[in-house]
Amino acid sequence: KQEVTQIPAALSVPEGENLVLNCSFTDSAIYNLQWFRQDPGKGLTSLLLIQSSQREQTSGRLNASLDKSSGRSTLYIAASQPGDSATYLCAVLNAGGTSYGKLTFGQGTILTVHP
Amino acid sequence: NAGVTQTPKFRILKIGQSMTLQCTQDMNHNYMYWYRQDPGMGLKLIYYSVGAGITDKGEVPNGYNVSRSTTEDFPLRLELAAPSQTSVYFCASSPKTSGGAPGELFFGEGSRLTVL
Repeated sequence: KQEVTQIPAALSVPEGENLVLNCSFTDSAIYNLQWFRQDPGKGLTSLLLIQSSQREQTSGRLNASLDKSSGRSTLYIAASQPGDSATYLCAVLNAGGTSYGKLTFGQGTILTVHP
Repeated sequence: NAGVTQTPKFRILKIGQSMTLQCTQDMNHNYMYWYRQDPGMGLKLIYYSVGAGITDKGEVPNGYNVSRSTTEDFPLRLELAAPSQTSVYFCASSPKTSGGAPGELFFGEGSRLTVL
């Protein structure tokens, strides 16, 4: 059964810092990996999607990498801003086993960027 | 640009009552999902659908039912509500990629349900 773990569970940084959020998964048989942002009381917003054949994706100040063989992904946020404060979740789309075709989510990293 | 629309946003139910959470998407997506999110527990898949007329169970289907009569709509029915069903429910949809697998996931704003 696929398991997705996110470290750290919470992170507090001053504005302007570059930071890295980590996501690891136990089964490398995946179609893709997505990073989401969730603001309090809101739904999830897709940030980046990396296909299993890709190594990284970039959008603005965000860069996500994927190392499928080691079961790891990182989300790099450059020059953090208070508006980046939110919960960040990663999810893998499973390509094998009993979870085929389904997404498995990590529990998220709560990010706080203070002025 | 409606995307995925869920109703109601909030609801309080008494134990044993029934209700339906509505979900509609206007992106012509094949895949639709229902998740529940509990504090500290992440998102758990309740049911999903790969297209109209086809549904399947996720991780936590007990106490719920779904139907998918059209591409756009994927309602979630709660029968005999229990306190354990107090949660935030999210509907999501994704397109079918050229390879047949789901693509990027789009979420609704959520429905907060309390069972007392």
